[in-house]
Amino acid sequence: AQKVTQAQTEISVVEKEDVTLDCVYETRDTTYYLFWYKQPPSGELVFLIRRNSFDEQNEISGRYSWNFQKSTSSFNFTITASQVVDSAVYFCALKASGTYKYIFGTGTRLKVLA
Amino acid sequence: NAGVTQTPKFQVLKTGQSMTLQCAQDMNHEYMSWYRQDPGMGLRLIHYSVGAGITDQGEVPNGYNVSRSTTEDFPLRLLSAAPSQTSVYFCASSYSLVGSRGPSGANVLTFGAGSRLTVL
Repeated sequence: AQKVTQAQTEISVVEKEDVTLDCVYETRDTTYYLFWYKQPPSGELVFLIRRNSFDEQNEISGRYSWNFQKSTSSFNFTITASQVVDSAVYFCALKASGTYKYIFGTGTRLKVLA
Repeated sequence: NAGVTQTPKFQVLKTGQSMTLQCAQDMNHEYMSWYRQDPGMGLRLIHYSVGAGITDQGEVPNGYNVSRSTTEDFPLRLLSAAPSQTSVYFCASSYSLVGSRGPSGANVLTFGAGSRLTVL
């Protein structure tokens, strides 16, 4: 069975602070894929990143960075120097190679205060 | 390109009524799926389809029916709406996930804008 846990329900930070959103996953497959999506207040779901299980290299895109650690089954997302526009709900998702199902976590609501 | 189009955006139903949420995509995506989003529950998979004529259940399929007669369309039917089906529904699609020996890969899901359903 696949499972994604986002233990942080809501996080509030002040603008320019760094913040890390945690994602822990479970799967028995050795090949799997991890995703992060952003849902701003307007409600749409926006793709941020995909990572496969064979690539543990961390990734940085502007103020966003992702830390993938197979040893702890985690795929954490860090926003550096947060901005008000980063306020959104962030979802982590998992798809194992042996299934057609994408499984999402419960999301973390990030509030960035000016 | 329109991407993934969901209609209606808002709907209010009475308990026991039926309705269909429409989902259409113009990206020639083989894979389509329906999710519901509830507070504290995240996105939960209702049904999915890997191609025309092929559908299967997700995590929370009870009370919902789907069919896939064309590549473009994947409607979600509520035969007898219940208050527990009050939710925001998202349709999502991607390129094919079918390999020579079953599921293969994981393409990025493109989501529709969502449909907010209230059942009284």
